[in-house]
Amino acid sequence: GAVVSQHPSRVICKSGTSVKIECRSLDFQATTMFWYRQFPKQSLMLMATSNEGSKATYEQGVEKDKFLINHASLTLSTLTVTSAHPEDSSFYICSVPGEGLETQYFGPGTRLLVL
Amino acid sequence: AQSVTQLGSHVSVSEGALVLLRCNYSSSVPPYLFWYVQYPNQGLQLLLKYTSAATLVKGINGFEAEFKKSETSFHLTKPSAHMSDAAEYFCAVSDQNPNTGNQFYFGTGTSLTVIP
Repeated sequence: GAVVSQHPSRVICKSGTSVKIECRSLDFQATTMFWYRQFPKQSLMLMATSNEGSKATYEQGVEKDKFLINHASLTLSTLTVTSAHPEDSSFYICSVPGEGLETQYFGPGTRLLVL
Repeated sequence: AQSVTQLGSHVSVSEGALVLLRCNYSSSVPPYLFWYVQYPNQGLQLLLKYTSAATLVKGINGFEAEFKKSETSFHLTKPSAHMSDAAEYFCAVSDQNPNTGNQFYFGTGTSLTVIP
């Protein structure tokens, strides 16, 4: 299966700053990647679908201007949390769909803490 | 629309006892179903998947799940719990839609505690 990495693994930032999280598909070209957010003791909630060469598709209730997604290449998608606030503190996970719609391959996640 | 329900947000079993984690699904298409495990501060690891082949699916670490269409269930079991099984478990269903890249819908998760 695909190997997916995320960088950084954890980040602490001050309120009001912007944070960029990278998701890389190391051995698989991905025209689509997914971004999830997971609050403590809760499930993964899909935030957006990142599309290479076009705009991301955001789920209802997710602010496009706050969570900027750029699918720069077939192996890289970035999520930028702009003007981060403490309520944005969460675990952010990306995933890459496998071939044949049979699975998704998940990155290890990025822990964001906004002070 | 696709959704999954996991009954029991917390399950505790004794080491060596049977593990049973429940998952019921709702799907407008024949479902693809998945079980993932998540250890603290880590991503998700695929345990097993059902994609319309054999209804009894065997996964890693001794886990298996049975797809029961009549009950719309996909419960996860393991005959004998090990301390290392303590983790969060998520059931998921996919929409199998190539136009959306195959979106997954996750249950709320079940935290498994193994008592020595």
